[in-house]
Amino acid sequence: AAGVIQSPRHLIKEKRETATLKCYPIPRHDTVYWYQQGPGQDPQFLISFYEKMQSDKGSIPDRFSAQQFSDYHSELNMSSLELGDSALYFCASSLLAGGPNEQFFGPGTRLTVL
Amino acid sequence: QKEVEQNSGPLSVPEGAIASLNCTYSDRVSQSFFWYRQYSGKSPELIMSIYSNGDKEDGRFTAQLNKASQYVSLLIRDSQPSDSATYLCAVNSGGFKTIFGAGTRLFVKA
Repeated sequence: AAGVIQSPRHLIKEKRETATLKCYPIPRHDTVYWYQQGPGQDPQFLISFYEKMQSDKGSIPDRFSAQQFSDYHSELNMSSLELGDSALYFCASSLLAGGPNEQFFGPGTRLTVL
Repeated sequence: QKEVEQNSGPLSVPEGAIASLNCTYSDRVSQSFFWYRQYSGKSPELIMSIYSNGDKEDGRFTAQLNKASQYVSLLIRDSQPSDSATYLCAVNSGGFKTIFGAGTRLFVKA
């Protein structure tokens, strides 16, 4: 079965640079979520999109923005990167409409800020 | 008080034993409850979902939900070394936001 695809899998950036992370949800899933997970921490919810509209917002810094496109893929844009942004970034997708909102996670993007 | 609480562990059990993982939540209107398994450096993998009071069994896994006590648990029977991972409890109160617990680290000793 098709799973959530994330790219790139690894990314190394310098402080103050920008980064773009991409997520391709499971086909027919209508909702995308972004999470940040630091070492030894639980996933922290950043933002979600339902049918291409922002549906909920968590602890996403103002330096970050995200959007969902017409083909349902989503991008997380991160600017003015800081050392503390180094983390695993997960995208998850679910079928919310009429469903139990089970979220399925992608493999993640490991971001390292030097 | 965190919205979803788990004992961080580590929980150590011998191979073949039953591992019992517990989770409490604070939002009484929570509707959906999930258990994820996460290996180090990997993404969370959904292993069980439960929505109504009682037990739900899937292979070696049993999820138990008690909404009156705001408590959900995961039992792993015949634990294997490959079950060693962090187990995340997640709770959804309707809508888009799912809250994750900090996870319990499980070690299964061969």
